[in-house]
Amino acid sequence: SQQGEEDPQALSIQEGENATMNCSYKTSINNLQWYRQNSGRGLVHLILIRSNEREKHSGRLRVTLDTSKKSSSLLITASRAADTASYFCATDATDTGNQFYFGTGTSLTVIP
Amino acid sequence: KAGVTQTPRYLIKTRGQQVTLSCSPISGHRSVSWYQQTPGQGLQFLFEYFSETQRNKGNFPGRFSGRQFSNSRSEMNVSTLELGDSALYLCASSLVGDEQFFGPGTRLTVL
Repeated sequence: SQQGEEDPQALSIQEGENATMNCSYKTSINNLQWYRQNSGRGLVHLILIRSNEREKHSGRLRVTLDTSKKSSSLLITASRAADTASYFCATDATDTGNQFYFGTGTSLTVIP
Repeated sequence: KAGVTQTPRYLIKTRGQQVTLSCSPISGHRSVSWYQQTPGQGLQFLFEYFSETQRNKGNFPGRFSGRQFSNSRSEMNVSTLELGDSALYLCASSLVGDEQFFGPGTRLTVL
């Protein structure tokens, strides 16, 4: 399976703290994406990082990609209660076009 | 731009029935993908359509099928529903090789 795995499965932090979640995957990729999902709703795209990039920023989000270790991390700085959600990484495979494999997700709870 | 829309949002069916779900992608997006999300299996890829052709298919039985129309709108059909088909079905549209934009999903309950 090419499914990614997020770590940890659940994370609980105080508002204002930073949250880091990791994603590992199994095969070569073109890009890796991070999504957020609020309870039972559709996914919201956060950031896309391509295989030739090592780090990317978007607002309070910082994503790193290490293709040699087949891993990525998502850092949310200065977390807010509104960041409470599940976070998923999704990877494509180099030979299957627009087919994405999602990880199992990290459930983040930010305590006000 | 309007986002991805899915109809209906909620659906209740009984075992053995069939169901059709609809997805309207973002204007200009030709790729539409479908996913099934359940608590036990997470998000699983069903299939992707591009220019009215199924380009990729996940590991689901033939009861799950789909199609795409010339305006890029897509439908998926599940025949002979089983209890295990209860899930949130998500549709996503994208430009090729780019980020996917998801709709709000259709929550299907099979009784």
